[in-house]
Amino acid sequence: QSVLTQPPSASGTPGQRVTISCSGSSSNIGSNYVYWYQQLPGTAPKLLIYGNNQRPSGVPDRFSGSKSGTSASLAISGLRSEDEADYFCATWDDSLSGQGVFGTGTKVTVL
Amino acid sequence: QVQLVQSGAEVKRPGASVKVSCTASGYTFTNYDINWVRQATGQGLEWMGWMNPNSGNRGYAQKFQGRVTITRNTSVSTAYMELSSLTSEDTAVYYCARGSFVDATMAPDYWGQGTLVTVSS
Repeated sequence: QSVLTQPPSASGTPGQRVTISCSGSSSNIGSNYVYWYQQLPGTAPKLLIYGNNQRPSGVPDRFSGSKSGTSASLAISGLRSEDEADYFCATWDDSLSGQGVFGTGTKVTVL
Repeated sequence: QVQLVQSGAEVKRPGASVKVSCTASGYTFTNYDINWVRQATGQGLEWMGWMNPNSGNRGYAQKFQGRVTITRNTSVSTAYMELSSLTSEDTAVYYCARGSFVDATMAPDYWGQGTLVTVSS
């Protein structure tokens, strides 16, 4: 089971702002960088946010990330139909000799 | 352009082993770590392990310790993930991903297309 907790679902109408939370602990989010991925059905995950709040080139500025303490958030502003996908947070966990960990995933639906 | 191309789908019997390859192109293979991540149908992502192709250093998720082995052949820019003692619970799509979750400047950005491993008697 994942050590990072996300809400299973989120939704909004086109143009709205949607926020997804990712809750962890001091050994993971609290002391390491957070990454966010978007996954469309049948495809590999796509990196949306790295280093807590940085966007790779090509990712629209509608996507933004933040981190505070042992939690992180991904915000999608100006929601569009093509944003309907699964979203996962990820980070490193310093416990258990160090390992990568992913969030439980959030399905975003555009109403 | 950066590409990670994985080997094809596999069907294995319970108790068998599977070895999935991930061939890199478009960048210097030894400059980036390789991670392995799996995803069962309809489920979330699960990190399995990583390797530094330059040094050979590697680490595995505690869940898979003793059952997973990650190797590489730098002459063909290819990483491999072998999982043994397969059960039906190992049926999943397996991905390789270039980068590091520790170093934000080398974030896991490019992923392979995924390899479906089906374990069935």
